[in-house]
Amino acid sequence: NAGVTQTPKFQVLKTGQSMTLQCAQDMNHNSMYWYRQDPGMGLRLIYYSASEGTTDKGEVPNGYNVSRLNKREFSLRLESAAPSQTSVYFCASCLGSENEKLFFGSGTQLSVL
Amino acid sequence: AQSVTQLDSQVPVFEEAPVELRCNYSSSVSVYLFWYVQYPNQGLQLLLKYLSGSTLVESINGFEAEFNKSQTSFHLRKPSVHISDTAEYFCAVSETSYDKVIFGPGTSLSVIP
Repeated sequence: NAGVTQTPKFQVLKTGQSMTLQCAQDMNHNSMYWYRQDPGMGLRLIYYSASEGTTDKGEVPNGYNVSRLNKREFSLRLESAAPSQTSVYFCASCLGSENEKLFFGSGTQLSVL
Repeated sequence: AQSVTQLDSQVPVFEEAPVELRCNYSSSVSVYLFWYVQYPNQGLQLLLKYLSGSTLVESINGFEAEFNKSQTSFHLRKPSVHISDTAEYFCAVSETSYDKVIFGPGTSLSVIP
């Protein structure tokens, strides 16, 4: 039972490079989320997808794009990475019927030099 | 828009002493409230949640939280902490069943032997 799977676990980028963080869940959840975690700031919502085919901005969407490819997958793209995007990124999913608990992936540690 | 405040960034407490971690939220509508815990080098896990009904909710490991609508609070308490409770604790809020989940900045609980 894999749950929420994120790849990669670690990534180092140079300023201006692009990359996509992948997230997949095998629990048939409707809602999926991308958060970033920074010291002293907790988790901040970047984008979320309440259902397949829909995406919405969260608290800190600038510099990111997302794609809800299908019900299972929700990817996060950095088109031109900046040092301010150095963070730990978490993907999460939720059944969505009554905002039950979020299931989190193990995180991606991203460093932008 | 909803927001979450956790006034205490760090809480040191001696083993077997009681602890309270404070959480206040702002919202103009009814909310769902959550406490998540993050153990060192791990992802987040749901500790307990308030969706409706009884305002006092409990977790399986001795934590409890009380929803106070008039004070817009959802403080987390435990009467006697253990070393294993050392972790980061995050309060979170959601306004509707399908809405985004917003997290507070977190409180680092350190249990001292």
